[in-house]
Amino acid sequence: QQQVKQSPQSLIVQKGGISIINCAYENTAFDYFPWYQQFPGKGPALLIAIRPDVSEKKEGRFTISFNKSAKQFSLHIMDSQPGDSATYFCAASMGQGGSEKLVFGKGTKLTVNP
Amino acid sequence: EPEVTQTPSHQVTQMGQEVILRCVPISNHLYFYWYRQILGQKVEFLVSFYNNEISEKSEIFDDQFSVERPDGSNFTLKIRSTKLEDSAMYFCASNAYGELFFGEGSRLTVL
Repeated sequence: QQQVKQSPQSLIVQKGGISIINCAYENTAFDYFPWYQQFPGKGPALLIAIRPDVSEKKEGRFTISFNKSAKQFSLHIMDSQPGDSATYFCAASMGQGGSEKLVFGKGTKLTVNP
Repeated sequence: EPEVTQTPSHQVTQMGQEVILRCVPISNHLYFYWYRQILGQKVEFLVSFYNNEISEKSEIFDDQFSVERPDGSNFTLKIRSTKLEDSAMYFCASNAYGELFFGEGSRLTVL
């Protein structure tokens, strides 16, 4: 019940295309859903996050769509660029701040071809 | 921009040896974490630390692991007797208002 399932495992997109990565969770107590971007040899960096009181959050080219009833959330990268090539992790946690223990998905390796 | 710093970036050790990984969290953060990532796999929670004590730990964090904040700035992870399966990237993170900031990681290779 603590798992977060992420798909696809890898994704290849042409420059300018839309990248879509999906995650599903079981634990309805989760109330914080971040996406992390990781470049090789680096630590995960927070990209965008959402709480379940909204169904969508957009920051620049990155959008999270959240479906509470289906227990699913997804990351959309519009106008994908080669510099977006990285591994993306969805995660989930519960708690109102301070002591979040993140449960990560297995990651999606995104390759954006020029 | 403030950041979490970790040392060493890479450590190679023999099985059975003790290893200490060090982290300097962001200065005004109050919650600290260690996560690990085995090569090619997902990031896994190890332990969280607040107010000088462990607040939560995973099943991975057994008696071979310990954490300490010895001097008010450093946050350390000690593995007492390393095993081959401890080979991984270890990430320190800190948190002030619900957002985790990760360091660049310490790669541990156990031979």
